[in-house]
Amino acid sequence: GNSVTQMEGPVTLSEEAFLTINCTYTATGYPSLFWYVQYPGEGLQLLLKATKADDKGSNKGFEATYRKETTSFHLEKGSVQVSDSAVYFCALSDQGSSASKIIFGSGTRLSIRP
Amino acid sequence: NAGVTQTPKFQVLKTGQSMTLQCAQDMNHEYMSWYRQDPGMGLRLIHYSVGAGITDQGEVPNGYNVSRSTTEDFPLRLLSAAPSQTSVYFCASSYASVGTGELFFGEGSRLTVL
Repeated sequence: GNSVTQMEGPVTLSEEAFLTINCTYTATGYPSLFWYVQYPGEGLQLLLKATKADDKGSNKGFEATYRKETTSFHLEKGSVQVSDSAVYFCALSDQGSSASKIIFGSGTRLSIRP
Repeated sequence: NAGVTQTPKFQVLKTGQSMTLQCAQDMNHEYMSWYRQDPGMGLRLIHYSVGAGITDQGEVPNGYNVSRSTTEDFPLRLLSAAPSQTSVYFCASSYASVGTGELFFGEGSRLTVL
């Protein structure tokens, strides 16, 4: 079945450091890929997405590229801020499938030191 | 902008008690769902609905009931609470039952069963 694997957290970085959070997936067909973010005390919200191979999703300085050859969708940011401290979830969805088929990874907690 | 509203935010129950977690959305979304979030396990789908009068089971439905009498509301009922149901519960909705991947989440309800 479909699945998503994320790097274990927590990840702790200093402000302005470069961020990478690894995500790999297993899926049949051609899934859409997503990163969701959960700020403290809040629900998840969509950060970015990519719907086909080689697409790059971007938002708020974060980027992720859909790599079909390595089945990966790593999240990157060039210079993190304290306000980026949150839990990040990688997710996938079979294109055209029910919203009930969205599969989430286990989440990676990110903490940024001033 | 209300979005997805969950109540209560916090609840403590004793084993065997019953309760209902409320979820309401004002975006006229067809699709609504309930997830539970447990440490290291990401989000797991409990029940979902693709429209008023239609519900179905997700990955972990045992111990929970749902109904969908209106488009706006999707309550989650625990008939006889157990300590294993201690978790954070999220309601989420989407524009259509066929997923674009963008789920809109409530702020969560933290439930403790003693």
